[in-house]
Amino acid sequence: AQSVTQPDIHITVSEGASLELRCNYSYGATPYLFWYVQSPGQGLQLLLKYFSGDTLVQGIKGFEAEFKRSQSSFNLRKPSVHWSDAAEYFCAVGAPEADKIIFGKGTRLHILP
Amino acid sequence: DTGVSQDPRHKITKRGQNVTFRCDPISEHNRLYWYRQTLGQGPEFLTYFQNEAQLEKSRLLSDRFSAERPKGSFSTLEIQRTEQGDSAMYLCASSPGQGVGETQYFGPGTRLLVL
Repeated sequence: AQSVTQPDIHITVSEGASLELRCNYSYGATPYLFWYVQSPGQGLQLLLKYFSGDTLVQGIKGFEAEFKRSQSSFNLRKPSVHWSDAAEYFCAVGAPEADKIIFGKGTRLHILP
Repeated sequence: DTGVSQDPRHKITKRGQNVTFRCDPISEHNRLYWYRQTLGQGPEFLTYFQNEAQLEKSRLLSDRFSAERPKGSFSTLEIQRTEQGDSAMYLCASSPGQGVGETQYFGPGTRLLVL
């Protein structure tokens, strides 16, 4: 069965600084991988997803993620964060033969002015 | 496209009462999912529908929970004899096609508090 781990519960960065949120997954083959963002009072919004091909995936809002098979990781990055990026970020994994995705516990991002 | 909507947004109930939540998916999305999210956790899968057919239920979905999607459009999630442990955010999502690769579009959720 697939699983996903987000090692950092909270991350704090200064506005304008770079960001990397970690995600590790467990699955025997290459799964589908997703990053979602949840802002207060908002539904989850898909930032990006990876199925195959280029291991560097571009998403919305200036985010990107890199799939590394050797490390079973799919870390999310942004070169320069904005105060509006403060939110909770969820990594998710889905097995191709399954019909559901499994979410990590999330990383809450705090932005310092 | 008005997005996925959920009603009510908040519900406070007393232990032992029944509650029902409604989800209206994006028009023509044939997949509809229900999730539960508790504090400090990611969404946990509860069940999903392909049109009106309920195809999978999580073991999290006890006998007190029932979900329907009678005409393949909106869906309801009912919790009977609520318990304090049912307090959570209940999320609905829809997707246009089959398979885990399809993007799921989430509603704002219904926050349930059981006193």
